[in-house]
Amino acid sequence: QVQLQESGPRLVKPSQTLSLTCTVSGGSLTTGHYYWDWIRHHPGKGLEWIGYIHHSGSTYYNPSLESRVSISVDTSKNQFSLRLTSVAAADTAVYYCVRERGGFDRVFDSWGPGTLVTVSS
Amino acid sequence: EMVLTQSPGTLSLSPGERATLSCRASQNVFSNYLAWYQQKRGQAPRLLIFGASSRATGIPDRFSGSGSGTDFTLTIRRLEPEDFAVYYCQQYGSSPYTFGQGTKLEIK
Repeated sequence: QVQLQESGPRLVKPSQTLSLTCTVSGGSLTTGHYYWDWIRHHPGKGLEWIGYIHHSGSTYYNPSLESRVSISVDTSKNQFSLRLTSVAAADTAVYYCVRERGGFDRVFDSWGPGTLVTVSS
Repeated sequence: EMVLTQSPGTLSLSPGERATLSCRASQNVFSNYLAWYQQKRGQAPRLLIFGASSRATGIPDRFSGSGSGTDFTLTIRRLEPEDFAVYYCQQYGSSPYTFGQGTKLEIK
């Protein structure tokens, strides 16, 4: 069974870049028909989809974040990563890396435990 | 962007009772591409239902989903103590994917 684990700095200063990595274990992110996503959960608010990457390198981002976000993949390490530039307090959230099924039902079937990233000086 | 509105915000019930959670979309959900997730405190969400009514692997049959178009329902019959959590609906029929704000199911 695939497992995902987020890692990266928990505290980021305003205007700087948030960087997180997701390590996938229990399976290769190049096998099967999956996409690899980032989703965040603002404290006391709802869930927000950030974007996804396919192991081929193709990406798709939420238009609300597209100007600041990039997702990359390192298949040799079985990892994918998130970069979010010019962060502000509103970017404080729990960030999840998630596996998204391909095909018709593009649902999120495996989640990392999540990591709280705080934006503060 | 499609807005999903869940109601009620909080639902207080006792174990053994039936829970009915609602999710209303601001526009038709293409092909009823709607999912439900359960999130317990301190844990990541877990997929329960996809395609509006199909249970995910390992989900007990007391969970059922229904609806189409703009109105969807998650029903939990005979609540178990472990069912008290927050439930989110999510649509994947149009971009960007969006979630409802959640319904908290608490013990009465």
